[in-house]
Amino acid sequence: DTGVSQNPRHKITKRGQNVTFRCDPISEHNRLYWYRQTLGQGPEFLTYFQNEAQLEKSRLLSDRFSAERPKGSFSTLEIQRTEQGDSAMYLCASSFLRVDEQFFGPGTRLTVL
Amino acid sequence: AQSVSQHNHHVILSEAASLELGCNYSYGGTVNLFWYVQYPGQHLQLLLKYFSGDPLVKGIKGFEAEFIKSKFSFNLRKPSVQWSDTAEYFCAVNAPYGGSQGNLIFGKGTKLSVKP
Repeated sequence: DTGVSQNPRHKITKRGQNVTFRCDPISEHNRLYWYRQTLGQGPEFLTYFQNEAQLEKSRLLSDRFSAERPKGSFSTLEIQRTEQGDSAMYLCASSFLRVDEQFFGPGTRLTVL
Repeated sequence: AQSVSQHNHHVILSEAASLELGCNYSYGGTVNLFWYVQYPGQHLQLLLKYFSGDPLVKGIKGFEAEFIKSKFSFNLRKPSVQWSDTAEYFCAVNAPYGGSQGNLIFGKGTKLSVKP
């Protein structure tokens, strides 16, 4: 069990560019979550998947954000036309059951210049 | 809407001092409660969790937390801290039968600095 992995670990981009992050959950976990964490705050929920179905999206997830989990395994989070306010740590977590412990990855730190 | 409050932003203690970090949540229904820890340069790790049963739960590294339903609280405690406990601590809640479908609501975190 290698845990939840995320790539890249760091991403620096210019405002207006598109970025895509990848999350590989723990293999037997069917639920996958995306969170965003800014300085001085706890993680804030963005969206989650059960297998390949995206079941809930937060109001924080504007239409510039899209997430996919095409085969119920890895997931991608894309941000289009990035803005400086998108600078944050993007965290991925996975779990086996709906109410079980969520295992977090190391995060992708996005800096938008 | 559910929310989680952590009252202490930064706590500074000397080694061997006792620790108590406050956590209050707002939700009237059934909740699951968690404390996560983030050591410097590392990812979030589960410290302990409460789902049901004995309201005093024990976690890793000598930490424990007590769920007091009447106070909507889930405070974290450790009798004697060590320098290696220096980290940021997050309280989180989910409402398994509510509208949140299992996603976690986190507090803002408490940074603990332990002086050797």
